[in-house]
Amino acid sequence: DTAVSQTPKYLVTQMGNDKSIKCEQNLGHDTMYWYKQDSKKFLKIMFSYNNKELIINETVPNRFSPKSPDKAHLNLHINSLELGDSAVYFCASSPGQLSNQPQHFGDGTRLSIL
Amino acid sequence: GDSVTQMEGPVTLSEEAFLTINCTYTATGYPSLFWYVQYPGEGLQLLLKATKADDKGSNKGFEATYRKETTSFHLEKGSVQVSDSAVYFCALLNSGGYQKVTFGIGTKLQVIP
Repeated sequence: DTAVSQTPKYLVTQMGNDKSIKCEQNLGHDTMYWYKQDSKKFLKIMFSYNNKELIINETVPNRFSPKSPDKAHLNLHINSLELGDSAVYFCASSPGQLSNQPQHFGDGTRLSIL
Repeated sequence: GDSVTQMEGPVTLSEEAFLTINCTYTATGYPSLFWYVQYPGEGLQLLLKATKADDKGSNKGFEATYRKETTSFHLEKGSVQVSDSAVYFCALLNSGGYQKVTFGIGTKLQVIP
């Protein structure tokens, strides 16, 4: 069983479009995250939710809007896609806010903007 | 703020060679330290961890020791295999925060037969 699953795995779209990436975890974790990994493999946190509440919001354009309908899901919607949005986006989860337990990652969504 | 400094790659080794990937950190408090591995086309997987000074994390022949005096957490393996080719990330989780993990830049390892 996949612990953290993201869909789609690949996303190819035109500049200016709006797209969404979905993430679900079946680990019973309270906290979920979105990361962006650029072409040089640098990993940057974008958002974190704990029990459906936003707790980390790094400097990310407001074209990116996360939504957490329940603690097992954290979706990412991106408006007006730009060339610079091309990257791999990873969802992750962890047991809770103040835990020292590691995060569990999904396999990533490879977003390519034409 | 917290930071993780990791040696830049790529690192190219022959099979059965000894591996060291250096990692040092800056943090307030008493962070937990991790090594993650990312195989081609996949997400990050936890390789090993250490939660306090002098702890040694180990897994799949890899080891790293949490050295508070040198603020380091170097990854080592005595004999690498082709299947170890991947990107390795050093990371820290500070005890006082909202589980915000700070990652190093990642070191690509290529093992050749």
